Amino acid sequence: EDKVVQSPLSLVVHEGDTVTLNCSYEVTNFRSLLWYKQEKKAPTFLFMLTSSGIEKKSGRLSSILDKKELFSILNITATQTGDSAVYLCALVPGAGSYQLTFGKGTKLSVIP
Amino acid sequence: GAVVSQHPSWVICKSGTSVKIECRSLDFQATTMFWYRQFPKQSLMLMATSNEGSKATYEQGVEKDKFLINHASLTLSTLTVTSAHPEDSSFYICSARGSGRSFYEQYFGPGTRLTVT
Repeated sequence: EDKVVQSPLSLVVHEGDTVTLNCSYEVTNFRSLLWYKQEKKAPTFLFMLTSSGIEKKSGRLSSILDKKELFSILNITATQTGDSAVYLCALVPGAGSYQLTFGKGTKLSVIP
Repeated sequence: GAVVSQHPSWVICKSGTSVKIECRSLDFQATTMFWYRQFPKQSLMLMATSNEGSKATYEQGVEKDKFLINHASLTLSTLTVTSAHPEDSSFYICSARGSGRSFYEQYFGPGTRLTVT
């Protein structure tokens, strides 16, 4: 059974739209939740969320973690074609481990 | 920023042969390196964790005799797929973490696409 579930699996939007990607998880004992953007090659780091309710922002991207309801969202406003990618969330487990558990990702396609 | 390279970026081999993939940290010393495998439309699955100078720790279900990992120096880890079969065809990605860096600072290599015919 998957511990990290992302939804939707795939999403197609037009440039300028705002999208919300979801990441829910079952693990309660973890240190942080990470968001990555994966284009054709390796993932690139976007956000690290450790505390519940504190929004992280970077340009048009923002993310927040809800530890009570066990989910995180990644928002992208005014989408551009360059935002087309697979967005992955991953959990960093408890103290002493650096092994990330990834969700299957959400494939975002932004069309002109 | 920290840079991780992988070589080769794409390899095609015949069934039964062995393939070696290199992962290098170019501008930092990687005390820990991770090897992931990613099948089409699937997420990254951790295969093993290797610490410099010690044996790799393999995830459940990963055959250690088939996927040989060597982390002989602080800048190089290698993954050798022995007696490769078509079902081993996948995208292999390494990530590296430097000593003294916080846990989220894993830098990913560009990946190696392995096709076994």
